[in-house]
Amino acid sequence: KQEVTQIPAALSVPEGENLVLNCSFTDSAIYNLQWFRQDPGKGLTSLLLIQSSQREQTSGRLNASLDKSSGRSTLYIAASQPGDSATYLCAVKRGNEKLTFGTGTRLTIIP
Amino acid sequence: DAGITQSPRHKVTETGTPVTLRCHQTENHRYMYWYRQDPGHGLRLIHYSYGVKDTDKGEVSDGYSVSRSKTEDFLLTLESATSSQTSVYFCAISEGGPYGYTFGSGTRLTVV
Repeated sequence: KQEVTQIPAALSVPEGENLVLNCSFTDSAIYNLQWFRQDPGKGLTSLLLIQSSQREQTSGRLNASLDKSSGRSTLYIAASQPGDSATYLCAVKRGNEKLTFGTGTRLTIIP
Repeated sequence: DAGITQSPRHKVTETGTPVTLRCHQTENHRYMYWYRQDPGHGLRLIHYSYGVKDTDKGEVSDGYSVSRSKTEDFLLTLESATSSQTSVYFCAISEGGPYGYTFGSGTRLTVV
């Protein structure tokens, strides 16, 4: 059974700092990995999608990497802003078209 | 997200009553999913559909049933609601294969 872990569960950093969020998964036979953000009381917004054959994806200040062999992904946020405060979730997809989620990292950017 | 809508957004119901949540998509995606989100458990798959009239169970399917009679609609039914089914329910869609998922805004269900 695939298990996805995100550590830490919560993180606070001053505005302007670069930061890294971690995601690990137990079964490396994944199809792709997707990072989402979720604002309080809202739905999930897709940030980045990395296919199993890719090493990284970038969108603006966000960069996600994938090391399938070690079962790890990181989400790098550059020059953090208060608007980046949210819960960040990673999810891995297996070949059976099912998505398994981590429990998320709650990020707070301190102005 | 504009291509996927959930209704209702909020609902309070009494224990033992049936409840149906609706997910509607305009993207013509093949796959549709129902998840529930609870503190300490994250998002867990309830049921999913891989085509019209084709559905299968997820990891927390007990007490829930689904139906998909049209590509665009996926219904989740709680046959007899219990307090343990108080949760936020999310619908998601995907084209499958290398494509990612798109989520709806969620339905907050309270069973009293």
